[in-house]
Amino acid sequence: KQEVTQIPAALSVPEGENLVLNCSFTDSAIYNLQWFRQDPGKGLTSLLLIQSSQREQTSGRLNASLDKSSGRSTLYIAASQPGDSATYLCAVLPTGYALNFGKGTSLLVTP
Amino acid sequence: GAGVSQSPSNKVTEKGKDVELRCDPISGHTALYWYRQSLGQGLEFLIYFQGNSAPDKSGLPSDRFSAERTGGSVSTLTIQRTQQEDSAVYLCASSPGLAGSSTDTQYFGPGTRLTVL
Repeated sequence: KQEVTQIPAALSVPEGENLVLNCSFTDSAIYNLQWFRQDPGKGLTSLLLIQSSQREQTSGRLNASLDKSSGRSTLYIAASQPGDSATYLCAVLPTGYALNFGKGTSLLVTP
Repeated sequence: GAGVSQSPSNKVTEKGKDVELRCDPISGHTALYWYRQSLGQGLEFLIYFQGNSAPDKSGLPSDRFSAERTGGSVSTLTIQRTQQEDSAVYLCASSPGLAGSSTDTQYFGPGTRLTVL
């Protein structure tokens, strides 16, 4: 069974810092890896999707990388803002349809 | 356009009662998914539909859980004889393409928070 681990579980940084969230997975046979954002009481918002054949994706201040062979992905957030405060979830799509999620990293960006 | 909607947003019920949770996917999306997020746990896959068919029901935690989808649109997740361990946020997602495609993004609803007393 695919296991997805996210480190750290929680992170607090001052506004303006660059930061990295880590995700690891145990089985490299995946279709894609996705990063989601979850705000309290809200659903999940897809941030970036990296297909298995890709190495990275960028959207604005966000950059996600994928190293399938080592089972790792990182989400880089540049120039963090208080509005970035949320829980960030990493999920992999193995050979199927059910996303396997990590437990998330809770991010707090302080003004 | 409208996103995935779920109702009710909150549901409090007594142990042993049946509950129905509803999901309205994005119009035109062929695939629909149900997940559960329990306190302190990651999201757990329950079931998915391709059209009105549910090829894989193996994620349903017990036979008290069932789901259906009608008209290729609305889906209902039913939990019979609820137990306290069923308390969780139930999330629905839909996607436009064939489930399992490398480019297929799942769009999530806001969830239904179920509390079983």
